[in-house]
Amino acid sequence: SQTIHQWPATLVQPVGSPLSLECTVEGTSNPNLYWYRQAAGRGLQLLFYSVGIGQISSEVPQNLSASRPQDRQFILSSKKLLLSDSGFYLCAWKRRDTEAFFGQGTRLTVV
Amino acid sequence: EDKVVQSPLSLVVHEGDTVTLNCSYEVTNFRSLLWYKQEKKAPTFLFMLTSSGIEKKSGRLSSILDKKELFSILNITATQTGDSAIYLCAVGTYQAGTALIFGKGTTLSVSS
Repeated sequence: SQTIHQWPATLVQPVGSPLSLECTVEGTSNPNLYWYRQAAGRGLQLLFYSVGIGQISSEVPQNLSASRPQDRQFILSSKKLLLSDSGFYLCAWKRRDTEAFFGQGTRLTVV
Repeated sequence: EDKVVQSPLSLVVHEGDTVTLNCSYEVTNFRSLLWYKQEKKAPTFLFMLTSSGIEKKSGRLSSILDKKELFSILNITATQTGDSAIYLCAVGTYQAGTALIFGKGTTLSVSS
């Protein structure tokens, strides 16, 4: 069966510090991978998606970047965090005709 | 621009009530509509709808899609406190990446 791992679960970072969130998928190959951000109590905003190694599409211009160095690994990064980067970050994978499967999320607080 | 709109944004009901959550959409190349329940962390999948007029049912939850009027409803009968959550509606398209486009969610609170 497929599983998705996302870490860390919580993170408190000072403004201006770098960020690296990692997501890995097991039990499937060549998945589409996604990073979403959720503001407190609200819907999910798509940040990046990837259909293959090294292929990244950005949906919203911002202070973040994403990379896919391996087929089942998706990384969300920032060189310098802003207060507005605080939120709940969710990694997900799906195939073309399936639902999306989500990791447990990372709650990021920038202070 | 593709968009998914959910209503109401929040709802407070008493245990045993029946609720109806709404989701309307305007997207290019519609593929599917999905409902998720989110309690603390990861959204959990409820239904995927692709055809109009066919009700999907799971216990006290049911959902139906109207592709002509571009909306879906999620019904919860005999609500329980465990139904308290954010209910998210998402639409999948045939566009590159097949990412799901989410609405803002409906926050349901069920009081005992």
